[in-house]
Amino acid sequence: LAKTTQPISMDSYEGQEVNITCSHNNIATNDYITWYQQFPSQGPRFIIQGYKTKVTNEVASLFIPADRKSSTLSLPRVSLSDTAVYYCLVGERGQGFSFIFGKGTRLLVKP
Amino acid sequence: EAQVTQNPRYLITVTGKKLTVTCSQNMNHEYMSWYRQDPGLGLRQIYYSMNVEVTDKGDVPEGYKVSRKEKRNFPLILESPSPNQTSLYFCASSRPGARVDEQYFGPGTRLTVT
Repeated sequence: LAKTTQPISMDSYEGQEVNITCSHNNIATNDYITWYQQFPSQGPRFIIQGYKTKVTNEVASLFIPADRKSSTLSLPRVSLSDTAVYYCLVGERGQGFSFIFGKGTRLLVKP
Repeated sequence: EAQVTQNPRYLITVTGKKLTVTCSQNMNHEYMSWYRQDPGLGLRQIYYSMNVEVTDKGDVPEGYKVSRKEKRNFPLILESPSPNQTSLYFCASSRPGARVDEQYFGPGTRLTVT
């Protein structure tokens, strides 16, 4: 399973767009990139998954460059309630149960 | 409502006293997993199960047992708990072949072993 590297923490302000980048230099051909969000004392919650280019849903966008060695989770116009830890995971599609959660990025949204 | 439930939510016990944390899902998911979360260490997988009667070790299986006799249930068993198993535990389930690899997590069980 490819190792991922994310910033430990980030600060932002309400209404701003937040971009969290994850590095996965050893990503394999069959690997997908998945992001989860976790609030304190709650289980992680799936945000988005992608393979290449761009994926968008009602919560976020995921940008993946052509070489797929990194990915960027984009949260538009964050609010205080987006304060959470965000995890980037990489692994083969259909094997999501074995994806490895790292330490994640702690996002603090300030008023 | 689709959900993963865990019981108990909070548990304080003493070293060596066997305990079981139950996990149940109502989504007919084949895959289920147990994680522990500790400050500074993130989420680490303990055991996972690909289907009934099929289980396998995750990253930190020592000191834990699991069983999968029914599709909906995946209990975590600590035969002889020790203080280093004090942690926040999460159960999760997912469905293979889904459009995305979405794991559904339970609310967590906070275990303290004294």
